[in-house]
Amino acid sequence: GAVVSQHPSRVICKSGTSVKIECRSLDFQATTMFWYRQFPKQSLMLMATSNEGSKATYEQGVEKDKFLINHASLTLSTLTVTSAHPEDSSFYICSARDNTRDTQYFGPGTRLTVL
Amino acid sequence: QKEVEQNSGPLSVPEGAIASLNCTYSDRGSQSFFWYRQYSGKSPELIMSIYSNGDKEDGRFTAQLNKASQYVSLLIRDSQPSDSATYLCAVNRGGGADGLTFGKGTHLIIQP
Repeated sequence: GAVVSQHPSRVICKSGTSVKIECRSLDFQATTMFWYRQFPKQSLMLMATSNEGSKATYEQGVEKDKFLINHASLTLSTLTVTSAHPEDSSFYICSARDNTRDTQYFGPGTRLTVL
Repeated sequence: QKEVEQNSGPLSVPEGAIASLNCTYSDRGSQSFFWYRQYSGKSPELIMSIYSNGDKEDGRFTAQLNKASQYVSLLIRDSQPSDSATYLCAVNRGGGADGLTFGKGTHLIIQP
């Protein structure tokens, strides 16, 4: 089956630092990847759509200069949370769309805690 | 504004019974519909996808779609304690470039 990995699975950082999260599709190519965020007891909210070789598309209210997305290959997208603040603490989940199917496969998520 | 509505629950169902989960959506342009299961602290796991009106069965799971009523449901037959989780309904316009809009999920509890 389709496998998506994320690294790291958990990160704790100090306020003001930057954190990079990687999302990889392990056994399929993904032209499009998506980044979601989930706060406690809330649902997943789409942050941005990452397209290989082009700029990401951000949802309304998501700061593109704060959440930097790079999709340099068909199997890797990265999300960098710049100048992290405690309110950025959340569960960040990526998904990758298999180029051959209309199905998104989710990574295991990264739990970010900003102190 | 795209919205997906679900009853947050908790929905409590005896083991072996049928669990019925419901979802409505606001965007009439939605073409693809998904049910995900999420355990606490974990990422969502795809249970079913459905694209056409009617029923789609996969093992103990049946998804039902009614585009005219903008309604999607998931039935779980012979419910097991391991089915206890939060079930997320998600929709998009299809085409692959569209992210998913999720409901807040229904917390399902299967009582042994």
